[in-house]
Amino acid sequence: AQTVTQSQPEMSVQEAETVTLSCTYDTSESDYYLFWYKQPPSRQMILVIRQEAYKQQNATENRFSVNFQKAAKSFSLKISDSQLGDAAMYFCAYKWRGSEKLVFGKGTKLTVNP
Amino acid sequence: NAGVMQNPRHLVRRRGQEARLRCSPMKGHSHVYWYRQLPEEGLKFMVYLQKENIIDESGMPKERFSAEFPKEGPSILRIQQVVRGDSAAYFCASSRTGGQFVSGNTIYFGEGSWLTVV
Repeated sequence: AQTVTQSQPEMSVQEAETVTLSCTYDTSESDYYLFWYKQPPSRQMILVIRQEAYKQQNATENRFSVNFQKAAKSFSLKISDSQLGDAAMYFCAYKWRGSEKLVFGKGTKLTVNP
Repeated sequence: NAGVMQNPRHLVRRRGQEARLRCSPMKGHSHVYWYRQLPEEGLKFMVYLQKENIIDESGMPKERFSAEFPKEGPSILRIQQVVRGDSAAYFCASSRTGGQFVSGNTIYFGEGSWLTVV
């Protein structure tokens, strides 16, 4: 069974600094997708960034980028120039290409200090 | 363009009552997914439906839980004879087609329905 592990229950960062959230996953599949979702206090799940496993290039969306290490099954999220609005729960998720299910980690609570 | 609409946002039920949660997908979306989030946990897949069809219900508890997505109207997640352990946030998501990462297709989540069983 596929599993997603986020080993950091909580992280904090100073405004304007950079923070990296860790995620590892376990799968025997070779064709899959990885995601980071943000859940602010409003509780809505918002897609931050996604990565196709067959792509070697790391995905980037403005201040958000990932470090995808397929062999190590690692998928970390880097937030640059952190802003107060980045404070939220961040969930790493996995989806095998042949399934519609997203498998989520337990989340990392990010606090941004002014 | 309205997003995925869930109601009620908050629902309180006594043990043994029934809970009905509704989800209206985004306009033009015919695929609906339900996820459950227990306290301090990530979301867990429950069921995937297309109009009038249950495609994958492998995450649904075997008893008391059911889901439907009729030809007309919202998708409904129904929990019969609720117990305290059913207290959770229930999220609905929708997409235009399946295979959500076909070019141009994205899955969108609603804001969730919070069920409290007392």
